[in-house]
Amino acid sequence: NAGVMQNPRHLVRRRGQEARLRCSPMKGHSHVYWYRQLPEEGLKFMVYLQKENIIDESGMPKERFSAEFPKEGPSILRIQQVVRGDSAAYFCASSLPGQRGVHTIYFGEGSWLTVV
Amino acid sequence: AQSVTQPDIHITVSEGASLELRCNYSYGATPYLFWYVQSPGQGLQLLLKYFSGDTLVQGIKGFEAEFKRSQSSFNLRKPSVHWSDAAEYFCAVAPYSGGGADGLTFGKGTHLIIQP
Repeated sequence: NAGVMQNPRHLVRRRGQEARLRCSPMKGHSHVYWYRQLPEEGLKFMVYLQKENIIDESGMPKERFSAEFPKEGPSILRIQQVVRGDSAAYFCASSLPGQRGVHTIYFGEGSWLTVV
Repeated sequence: AQSVTQPDIHITVSEGASLELRCNYSYGATPYLFWYVQSPGQGLQLLLKYFSGDTLVQGIKGFEAEFKRSQSSFNLRKPSVHWSDAAEYFCAVAPYSGGGADGLTFGKGTHLIIQP
């Protein structure tokens, strides 16, 4: 049973380019979460998604960031017009829904974005 | 809203010595509590978690943690550290209502250095 798969593991983008990070949840998990870890910081919640539905995006920056979890395929975190301050590790987690969620959450290995 | 404080940014311990990493949380009711470890350039690995019951929980790699409600603490301990324990350690809290991982709040982490 494969774990939460994230790719790419490392991504380098020039300022102004777009970054796309992908996350495939564990088999059977229908909920996906994205967290950002800035240098010397803990993980900050960004967004919580179910298939075709954003449940909570209270942690997402208002501009340039978007996330989706389509009916088919992985969840995508998209950052448009990247700036140096977007350089961070982005972690995806998945879980079963509802009250089982917090008992079943698993994190991926992370995607490290460097903006040059 | 819940919050987590890890008072020690860095801790240095000699190999073979005992270890205690501090974690204090702020939440109005009994929370779910977690400790994660992150090696450099790696994802998060769950060490242990507390949901209810015995306040002393055992985890992987010889770690344990004790939930003290009166002190709002969930300190991580290990009787004898190994050089391979050098890593970043994160404490996290989630509401007891059983919300999904959108409720996971992380501390800023403690960087553990092991001296030979």
